[in-house]
Amino acid sequence: NAGVTQTPKFQVLKTGQSMTLQCAQDMNHNSMYWYRQDPGMGLRLIYYSASEGTTDKGEVPNGYNVSRLNKREFSLRLESAAPSQTSVYFCASRRDSTYEQYFGPGTRLTVT
Amino acid sequence: GQQVMQIPQYQHVQEGEDFTTYCNSSTTLSNIQWYKQRPGGHPVFLIQLVKSGEVKKQKRLTFQFGEAKKNSSLHITATQTTDVGTYFCAKTGANNLFFGTGTRLTVIP
Repeated sequence: NAGVTQTPKFQVLKTGQSMTLQCAQDMNHNSMYWYRQDPGMGLRLIYYSASEGTTDKGEVPNGYNVSRLNKREFSLRLESAAPSQTSVYFCASRRDSTYEQYFGPGTRLTVT
Repeated sequence: GQQVMQIPQYQHVQEGEDFTTYCNSSTTLSNIQWYKQRPGGHPVFLIQLVKSGEVKKQKRLTFQFGEAKKNSSLHITATQTTDVGTYFCAKTGANNLFFGTGTRLTVIP
């Protein structure tokens, strides 16, 4: 099992450009999450999907959109990147029975 | 807000010394989870505590959940260089987690 995979690992964007971060999990988990991590801020939830076909806003959803493409895949889109979106983005999925979350390796995004 | 408060923010210890990080909430927690993130890595689940006063051990790590279920602690006995990283507590919501700001542990050999 690969667990949770994310692409790309690194990305540099110019202000105003758009991009989609991809995430996939092979553990058959229902719930998936997108977080951003900034120095001294811990992990903040952007969006989550409790099951295929549903998505909900987290703490910091502004400037982002998500798509739960199927049970395996959950993508995060930045329509018009801003320097404030420079961060490390983690995707995670949650084991249904025990609630522990499994994280992907992260995407390091810089917006100039 | 929804976050849990975690202290200290940073801790430097000599190898072999003990280390403790504390997690506090203003509201009663249904349960609490702990994660470790190595430098440059991703968070990895360590444990979940559910019961009031619960104490769980994993080798040199001891996790406690307060009697009132408003606080939790992680204690590492005789730290090693492999313990370096940031330790996060997280409280569970209906469908998601709210993470503390973390304690970054540096172990000086």
